[in-house]
Amino acid sequence: EVQLVESGGGLVQPGRSLKLSCLASGFTFSNYGMNWIRQAPGKGLEWVASISSSSSYIYYADTVKGRFTISRDNAKNTLYLQMTSLRSEDTALYYCASMDTVAGAYYVMDAWGQGASVTVSS
Amino acid sequence: EIVLTQSPTTMAASPGEKVTLNCLASSSVSYMNWYQQKSGASPKLWIYGTSNLASGVPNRFSGSGSGTSYSLTISSMEAEDVATYYCLQLSSYPLTFGSGTKLEIK
Repeated sequence: EVQLVESGGGLVQPGRSLKLSCLASGFTFSNYGMNWIRQAPGKGLEWVASISSSSSYIYYADTVKGRFTISRDNAKNTLYLQMTSLRSEDTALYYCASMDTVAGAYYVMDAWGQGASVTVSS
Repeated sequence: EIVLTQSPTTMAASPGEKVTLNCLASSSVSYMNWYQQKSGASPKLWIYGTSNLASGVPNRFSGSGSGTSYSLTISSMEAEDVATYYCLQLSSYPLTFGSGTKLEIK
């Protein structure tokens, strides 16, 4: 069974840092691109960052570029999101999601974790 | 950045009613994916590649569209379809989601 389990969330003051982890199981983690998506309370989904299977390609949303760093450790089946200079608007539930290719033609974010809650407040 | 505009923002449908949710892209995309999110739960892949149902999705759901205009249709609304539906484009970075359509039952 494919499982993604996020951890590392919590309450943090503005300007401070926090690192999220996403432990993957049930599939060959090193073969898949991965993503972070967030959802502010009562709001919609916002893509945050993506990383390819070998970390060769990395992309960020403009809202987090320069402050957040996505990385992965394939030996540990773990995806990370290092968040620095946190702002109140970064308060959200952060999901990790795997990126698969279906029928050799379509990318899909098919497996999602349950989310890690990040609250930025003084 | 490709902006996805979903309409309506909220709608209520009666059991058995046909429902159509729309997603308009600011630039042409190759295909559209749709996600269903129920209250308090993680999003689930619902439709991929514009018209392909994800595993376990009832066949009363369908997807269509091309270029900049896409839609998700429910042929006959059921209570279990109450959720928020999001479109997602993966044709180019930055990846973008629509703002969602909240579907309720009358």
